[in-house]
Amino acid sequence: KAGVTQTPRYLIKTRGQQVTLSCSPISGHRSVSWYQQTPGQGLQFLFEYFSETQRNKGNFPGRFSGRQFSNSRSEMNVSTLELGDSALYLCASSLFQLTRTEFNYGYTFGSGTRLTVV
Amino acid sequence: QKEVEQDPGPLSVPEGAIVSLNCTYSNSAFQYFMWYRQYSRKGPELLMYTYSSGNKEDGRFTAQVDKSSKYISLFIRDSQPSDSATYLCALRGGGSNYKLTFGKGTLLTVNP
Repeated sequence: KAGVTQTPRYLIKTRGQQVTLSCSPISGHRSVSWYQQTPGQGLQFLFEYFSETQRNKGNFPGRFSGRQFSNSRSEMNVSTLELGDSALYLCASSLFQLTRTEFNYGYTFGSGTRLTVV
Repeated sequence: QKEVEQDPGPLSVPEGAIVSLNCTYSNSAFQYFMWYRQYSRKGPELLMYTYSSGNKEDGRFTAQVDKSSKYISLFIRDSQPSDSATYLCALRGGGSNYKLTFGKGTLLTVNP
């Protein structure tokens, strides 16, 4: 079974530019979340989508945005890039079964997109 | 005070040792507790999850949650060089909040 696919794997952008990252979740998974990972701050939640609707949003500026398509694929966009946006951006998909006794909760992460802003 | 605290290590142990990894948290709303393993240049991989307090065992791994102390642990028995990775605790509240709050991770090296 194919895992979570993130493209591209590596990106180098210049300050002020914008970037779009893509995530294809595991087939059948309808929830997609995005996280930013840096050495200083660790993994921080950006936002989560389910059935094309943003359900939760983290504490990031409005330059960070996302969307989800009807096939559950998701994109995130960062506009007006800053040096501090350099990070590993991780996407995770999940099949939420909400029964507590058989709780298939865990997110499956992709390998991430390494963004470097110069 | 950060919501989740985790000692970043690094932690270096000989092969076969028992490893203990821990996180503390401050928000009593957390209900779901997970441990992820992350190898270099890879995304995190779910190892264990627990709902509420208690213990859970899976092979060489045991996860413990003590909600009264706001303390979670992961034990690795008979550690192997292949266990060398960064271990991250992740916590989630209940209801419609699907955000995971991560510890910063502990870098573990198991020496042959």
